[in-house]
Amino acid sequence: GAGVSQSPSNKVTEKGKDVELRCDPISGHTALYWYRQSLGQGLEFLIYFQGNSAPDKSGLPSDRFSAERTGGSVSTLTIQRTQQEDSAVYLCASSFMSGDTDTQYFGPGTRLTVL
Amino acid sequence: GDSVTQMEGPVTLSEEAFLTINCTYTATGYPSLFWYVQYPGEGLQLLLKATKADDKGSNKGFEATYRKETTSFHLEKGSVQVSDSAVYFCALSHRTSGSRLTFGEGTQLTVNP
Repeated sequence: GAGVSQSPSNKVTEKGKDVELRCDPISGHTALYWYRQSLGQGLEFLIYFQGNSAPDKSGLPSDRFSAERTGGSVSTLTIQRTQQEDSAVYLCASSFMSGDTDTQYFGPGTRLTVL
Repeated sequence: GDSVTQMEGPVTLSEEAFLTINCTYTATGYPSLFWYVQYPGEGLQLLLKATKADDKGSNKGFEATYRKETTSFHLEKGSVQVSDSAVYFCALSHRTSGSRLTFGEGTQLTVNP
């Protein structure tokens, strides 16, 4: 079946612009996670959804970052007033449940470059 | 908070050599432990996992044993192939951390023919 998909695959933007990154999880997966992969910071957790609610937003680096999930499916990560330090690969993952033993399946990522 | 420490890379081996990538963790209670792999140009894939102490995860010839006493989850393979060249990430998931994954720094493995 289809895996986790993300769009766009690449995004180049100018400093100060807003960007939206989209994630389509595996059908039936109730948990959805956003991570960021950057050279200086490695792989960092950003936010996680169980259904449409976000019990854990602790990884969002600033109030310029927000995310939502609708219909228990698609999620959008929004970065307002982008900065150069936001340049990274943004990864989305989904799992059937949010238990700590459940396997998270990752999408291919969106590479964001802020000029 | 939870943390994962991996051996520093990069690691370069010849084909058929033995591989060990060390991973240790800090966490309260009993986290689940994972190894993820990222092949060139591809996304992260689960390689193996172990959910309780003394469990051994295995896949594609790779193995790792959950050692509670040493808080370790070292990755091993008896005979590596060129196709194993990738970046390997050790990770843990813990209920007190909302089941999110906490990753190590990643280890770049290059296998030469």
